Amino acid sequence: DTAVSQTPKYLVTQMGNDKSIKCEQNLGHDTMYWYKQDSKKFLKIMFSYNNKELIINETVPNRFSPKSPDKAHLNLHINSLELGDSAVYFCASSQFLVLHFGNGTRLTVT
Amino acid sequence: KQEVTQIPAALSVPEGENLVLNCSFTDSAIYNLQWFRQDPGKGLTSLLLIQSSQREQTSGRLNASLDKSSGRSTLYIAASQPGDSATYLCAVSSNNNDMRFGAGTRLTVKP
Repeated sequence: DTAVSQTPKYLVTQMGNDKSIKCEQNLGHDTMYWYKQDSKKFLKIMFSYNNKELIINETVPNRFSPKSPDKAHLNLHINSLELGDSAVYFCASSQFLVLHFGNGTRLTVT
Repeated sequence: KQEVTQIPAALSVPEGENLVLNCSFTDSAIYNLQWFRQDPGKGLTSLLLIQSSQREQTSGRLNASLDKSSGRSTLYIAASQPGDSATYLCAVSSNNNDMRFGAGTRLTVKP
């Protein structure tokens, strides 16, 4: 059973479009995250939710909006996509601050 | 804000060598520290977790140490194998659910 699952695995889209990435965890964890990994492989935290409440919101353009319908889901919606948004986006969950990652979504904006 | 640095950025060794990867962090008030492995095009796999009260953790050929006061952790890999080739990432957790990653060390073990 996949602990943290993200969909889609690959996403290719044009500039200006709006897209969503979904994340679900079946570990019963209270906290979920979105990380962005850029072309230099640096992982940077974007958002953190604890029990559906936003805890961490880094300096991310407001075109990025996380949505947590329940504790097991944290989706990422991106409006007006730009070329610079191309990256791999990782969802993660944690309990007692032990991280478990999804396999990532490779977003390519053309 | 916590900053995490990993040195070296890349490392190439012949098979069988022992090696050390380094991680340093600026704020010693941490909750735990994790070492991850990332293979090309893949997600992250947790290797070792050290709680702030611990000094080291071992798993097979891997040993991670933590010195909170100096803001340092090392990952020691014994008798390296080509299958160990990957990027190794260090992540530091603070009590507010904030987790910061280093930029990683890209390890290549040559047969």
